[in-house]
Amino acid sequence: AQTVTQSQPEMSVQEAETVTLSCTYDTSENNYYLFWYKQPPSRQMILVIRQEAYKQQNATENRFSVNFQKAAKSFSLKISDSQLGDTAMYFCAFMRLPGNQFYFGTGTSLTVIP
Amino acid sequence: DTAVSQTPKYLVTQMGNDKSIKCEQNLGHDTMYWYKQDSKKFLKIMFSYNNKELIINETVPNRFSPKSPDKAHLNLHINSLELGDSAVYFCASSQPGLYTDTQYFGPGTRLTVL
Repeated sequence: AQTVTQSQPEMSVQEAETVTLSCTYDTSENNYYLFWYKQPPSRQMILVIRQEAYKQQNATENRFSVNFQKAAKSFSLKISDSQLGDTAMYFCAFMRLPGNQFYFGTGTSLTVIP
Repeated sequence: DTAVSQTPKYLVTQMGNDKSIKCEQNLGHDTMYWYKQDSKKFLKIMFSYNNKELIINETVPNRFSPKSPDKAHLNLHINSLELGDSAVYFCASSQPGLYTDTQYFGPGTRLTVL
């Protein structure tokens, strides 16, 4: 069975600073995808970034980047130049191939402090 | 031009009632999902349909019955509502394939059972 662990239930960061959210996962699969989703107070689940396991290069989307360590089964999210709008719950997710079943971590509540 | 929509956004009802939540996606995706997010923000998959066919059915009470009239719709019907059913329910869709498998979430439906 696949499990996704987010060991930081809550984090805070000063505006404009950088913060890293950790995620580890456990799987015997070799082909899979990893995602970070953001859930602001509006409750909407918003895709932040995705990473294909077969790619060695870390994914980047503007101020968001990941550190994907396949051997260590680690997938951390780095947010640079934090903004107030980044305040949200962040969920790490694993998607198995084939089947497309998602497994979510328990979330990290991030607060950006002005 | 909403991609995944759910109705209603809020649902307050008495124990023992039967209620439905509707979900529609206009992305042309083949696969749709229902997730339950409990009060601790834990997000757990309930069902998944691919082209109107049930492909994932996690351990969910049989009071919950998904119905997919066509591949753009996946409705969730809940019989004999219980207090423990109070949660936020998310619908999502995806298009299985090597590059287009990201899940797109609806805004969520907050169900409160009194």
